[in-house]
Amino acid sequence: ILNVEQSPQSLHVQEGDSTNFTCSFPSSNFYALHWYRWETAKSPEALFVMTLNGDEKKKGRISATLNTKEGYSYLYIKGSQPEDSATYLCAFNNAGNMLTFGGGTRLMVKP
Amino acid sequence: GAVVSQHPSWVICKSGTSVKIECRSLDFQATTMFWYRQFPKQSLMLMATSNEGSKATYEQGVEKDKFLINHASLTLSTLTVTSAHPEDSSFYICSARDPGQGADGYTFGSGTRLTVV
Repeated sequence: ILNVEQSPQSLHVQEGDSTNFTCSFPSSNFYALHWYRWETAKSPEALFVMTLNGDEKKKGRISATLNTKEGYSYLYIKGSQPEDSATYLCAFNNAGNMLTFGGGTRLMVKP
Repeated sequence: GAVVSQHPSWVICKSGTSVKIECRSLDFQATTMFWYRQFPKQSLMLMATSNEGSKATYEQGVEKDKFLINHASLTLSTLTVTSAHPEDSSFYICSARDPGQGADGYTFGSGTRLTVV
């Protein structure tokens, strides 16, 4: 069983705060690391797919980094807005076709 | 972008009855579809992988006779929970893979909340 962990489980921040969360995954048999943003009653929305050690990707105020040698990825949100409130999921892809998910970080941004 | 439609979004059924959940890829052909289950405060757990035209591959601990998966076409996979019991109450979500998109090609449905009473 592959161990993918996310921390923290939940996070409350004020509007305008910057925040970050962690995803840790096995450092062997790495193919890709996926980040999703999941709002209640909607489909998980793909944010990033990261494949190379040292990758840094950015989408607006959200960015992510990847360290495959030590098995972690960080997701950063700069200047959080209430509309950023969601659960952020990471998923480890070991090229076996399937994704193994972490438990998610639930972010709540207060106006 | 790729869209996966999942129905129903919620269902309540009586214990002992069967429930079918559908997952359709609307604008691409999904050779592989994945079915996940999520219990409260837990991760999405893969139940089974289905490939179009062949039998599904079930994860350890998932009863294949209870959770019937059919992937008869490149755009439709169904999960039938047979003889449902209250312990089957959970959130079920599908994901379809577009092989032409490589590592990017995983698109999710919006999930089905099943409550068995």
